[in-house]
Amino acid sequence: EAGVAQSPRYKIIEKRQSVAFWCNPISGHATLYWYQQILGQGPKLLIQFQNNGVVDDSQLPKDRFSAERLKGVDSTLKIQPAKLEDSAVYLCASSLVRGLYNEQFFGPGTRLTVL
Amino acid sequence: AQRVTQPEKLLSVFKGAPVELKCNYSYSGSPELFWYVQYSRQRLQLLLRHISRESIKGFTADLNKGETSFHLKKPFAQEEDSAMYYCALRDNTDKLIFGTGTRLQVFP
Repeated sequence: EAGVAQSPRYKIIEKRQSVAFWCNPISGHATLYWYQQILGQGPKLLIQFQNNGVVDDSQLPKDRFSAERLKGVDSTLKIQPAKLEDSAVYLCASSLVRGLYNEQFFGPGTRLTVL
Repeated sequence: AQRVTQPEKLLSVFKGAPVELKCNYSYSGSPELFWYVQYSRQRLQLLLRHISRESIKGFTADLNKGETSFHLKKPFAQEEDSAMYYCALRDNTDKLIFGTGTRLQVFP
């Protein structure tokens, strides 16, 4: 079935290097979310887009993290430079609508290991 | 502060036993609560939401505003219920706030 796609699935880098993750949401879904899930914790929202505009980036560490969704479809999340504490699974999710009947559909995630 | 608490990291039961996964929340407004599930090697997916008041795969959850709880229950656990379960709250900015999750193990 056509779900949220993410790549790469796994990435290992050294601290201070940069890394980028890609997400392709479900076709027609206007809202896109990036979550960070550290081992043993639940997902935490980093940034939310509505089409190509940012709705909420209050928990995005803007000194090192950036994200864009230029054409309102695909999105990339970048970390530069990476720190050890950035080791986590990065989840992308999308939803058709916002509000009461919003259901977020999640991708498989990208597991990042920073050495 | 908005928060979702799942006090149990691991819950182990035998097949056919009742299951209750606990979830408590802290939220100043009118909460909208969800249970998400992640089966082994699968992606996170919605199990049920409180506004639907439905039973999915035999699971139910009732919102108790007095006790600020949204516990997930199933009267007879099955081996295929083994998974990671996350309780989540949607705030007024459409953001989901997740608990730390409870791993359910159902033994044969």
